[in-house]
Amino acid sequence: QVQLVESGGGVVQPGGSLRLSCAASGFTFSTYAMHWVRQAPGKGLEWVAVISYDGSLKYCADSVKGRFTISRDNSKNTLYLQMNSLRAEDTAVHYCARGDTVGAAHYYYMDVWGKGTTVTVSS
Amino acid sequence: QTVVTQEPSLSVSPGGTVTLTCGLSSGSVSTGYYPSWYQQTPGQAPRTLIYSTNTRSSGVPDRFSGSILGNKAALTITGAQADDESDYYCVLYMGSGIRVFGGGTKLTVL
Repeated sequence: QVQLVESGGGVVQPGGSLRLSCAASGFTFSTYAMHWVRQAPGKGLEWVAVISYDGSLKYCADSVKGRFTISRDNSKNTLYLQMNSLRAEDTAVHYCARGDTVGAAHYYYMDVWGKGTTVTVSS
Repeated sequence: QTVVTQEPSLSVSPGGTVTLTCGLSSGSVSTGYYPSWYQQTPGQAPRTLIYSTNTRSSGVPDRFSGSILGNKAALTITGAQADDESDYYCVLYMGSGIRVFGGGTKLTVL
């Protein structure tokens, strides 16, 4: 079945770095855009970044621009989020989610979600 | 900076109908924003309900429907059930690859 499994979360000090991974299975990973979405404790969902099916296009929210980088390895069916210069306000559950598929109409949504991995930024 | 607005909380009686809306702090929501809707219960990952304004995601019951009402996107739940008690989020596509979530609506069924 279609599955997304995030990993790499943990506790990091302010100013530190962390790399999240999202392992995909059950579908042709290389044909889908992929997203990262996060949720701070007790807060709403926040879209973080998206990457196109082939990695050629990347977009991110202003709140993480210049600090976070989304990437993918289609040979490993894995999505990544490199997080640098972490701040307390980056503390959140980070979800990966599947986006549009190449060659089909664009609907600009997320249709499959992982269970999330928790990032805590604290000294 | 444009903000996506949702009612912070709403309530509905079991079997009743409720409409949640998704607007913009400046301007009107149209189909060109490709509004989508997500349901989330505490401690769980989001679940996709509606995309491209009014298309139900796979497995979503037809008592969930999406539309444009006036200048906002809308999610209507007809015949509300106890397990519809959740947080609901809309997402709008703002162009140039950017998506923005609304602040969410906490729906109580009582």
